[in-house]
Amino acid sequence: NAGVTQTPKFQVLKTGQSMTLQCAQDMNHEYMSWYRQDPGMGLRLIHYSVGAGITDQGEVPNGYNVSRSTTEDFPLRLLSAAPSQTSVYFCASSYSFTGSFTDTQYFGPGTRLTVL
Amino acid sequence: KQEVTQIPAALSVPEGENLVLNCSFTDSAIYNLQWFRQDPGKGLTSLLLIQSSQREQTSGRLNASLDKSSGRSTLYIAASQPGDSATYLCAVKGYAGANSKLTFGKGITLSVRP
Repeated sequence: NAGVTQTPKFQVLKTGQSMTLQCAQDMNHEYMSWYRQDPGMGLRLIHYSVGAGITDQGEVPNGYNVSRSTTEDFPLRLLSAAPSQTSVYFCASSYSFTGSFTDTQYFGPGTRLTVL
Repeated sequence: KQEVTQIPAALSVPEGENLVLNCSFTDSAIYNLQWFRQDPGKGLTSLLLIQSSQREQTSGRLNASLDKSSGRSTLYIAASQPGDSATYLCAVKGYAGANSKLTFGKGITLSVRP
């Protein structure tokens, strides 16, 4: 299994540009989520999905859009990039059933985004 | 609102020491607690997951304990090695169903000196 993969690894955008961060998992996980990690702020949840066709907002959803058309993919779209969106973005997934091992969160390697 | 605190933010120890990393949370109504490791420039790797009904979990030199009533968890690392140098984060999952969100602490950056 490749686990959770994210592309690109690095990206530089200009203010106002849009782009999509890709996330895919091959573990048949139902639950997928996007976090941003900023110095001094820790990890904050942006959006999450509990299955194909179902998404919901997290703690900091403004300026981001998501969709979940398949179980495997959960892209994050930046609609109009702003310098405040400079961050490291992580995608995570878990099996999502109750139970001991199934709740483990698996993280991707991250995308480092700079908005000028 | 759940808050997770990890103090200190950084720790430096000599190789071979047994050490304890602390995690505290404000709402004891949790579903589970996870400890993660993050190496510089990398993603998070799950180390141990403790369900709310459990008191501890062990994996190799790592032992994590959970005291829900006091809102505390500890990660014990035995015989520390330079390769243990990383940031360690704890995260709690609330009890609002299996899909409730994780709340993360800001992490403890551990440096193990040879």
